[in-house]
Amino acid sequence: EAGVAQSPRYKIIEKRQSVAFWCNPISGHATLYWYQQILGQGPKLLIQFQNNGVVDDSQLPKDRFSAERLKGVDSTLKIQPAKLEDSAVYLCASSPRTSGSYEQYFGPGTRLTVT
Amino acid sequence: ELKVEQNPLFLSMQEGKNYTIYCNYSTTSDRLYWYRQDPGKSLESLFVLLSNGAVKQEGRLMASLDTKARLSTLHITAAVHDLSATYFCAVDPRHGAGNMLTFGGGTRLMVKP
Repeated sequence: EAGVAQSPRYKIIEKRQSVAFWCNPISGHATLYWYQQILGQGPKLLIQFQNNGVVDDSQLPKDRFSAERLKGVDSTLKIQPAKLEDSAVYLCASSPRTSGSYEQYFGPGTRLTVT
Repeated sequence: ELKVEQNPLFLSMQEGKNYTIYCNYSTTSDRLYWYRQDPGKSLESLFVLLSNGAVKQEGRLMASLDTKARLSTLHITAAVHDLSATYFCAVDPRHGAGNMLTFGGGTRLMVKP
C-alpha cells in the first residue's frame, strides 16, 4: 500500500512570495490533515478535511494560508504572502475515517525555508 | 485550550538502562497516541491507546494510559542505540468528532553505547 505522498520535499522562497504544497493521501482515506511543525516543536494541526469538506480550520491563519481538496482526494496548501515565521515542515496526514479509526498516517513532509 | 506536556524534553541514557517518558494532558480524553520521529523524517505511529488502563507493548517499548490522572507513559526497557529518536504523544479530545490531535513538545531520546 502506497503511503501519503507530498511534494515538493524542499522549498526555499523569499518573504512575501507565495508557495503551494501538494498532498496525495493513502487511497481510500476520507480524512486528510495538514500540520505545521516548527523546528524543535510538535506538529500543530492547521486544517482537517473530510472528503472535500472542511471539518476544522480554526488554527489556519486565513489571512495568508488557504487549503483545498476539491475532488476529495489530493489537497493543496498555499501560503500567500509568506513570512519568515512560516519556515517549518508542513506535514500531510490521512486516516480512513473521521471517528473510530484511530491512526493518522503521515507523509514525508515539505520543508519550507523563508528568507 | 488543550495542553499536552511531555517530560523530560531531552533524555540521554546508556544502553541497557530503563527509563520512562511522561505525557500529561489538560482535558478529558480517552484517546492517546505515541509517535516516533527520526531526524529529518516524518512521524511513525507507535501506539494507539483507546481506554483507561490500556497498555500496549512492542519490543522494548511499552505505553500505558491513565485517563483519570490524564497521564500516559512510554517505558523503555533495556535501551538500545536504535531507539534514539524524538518521541511525541498526541491527544484527541473530541470524542466522535474526528481525530483532532494536539501534540506534546516531544522528548528527544539519545541512547549512548
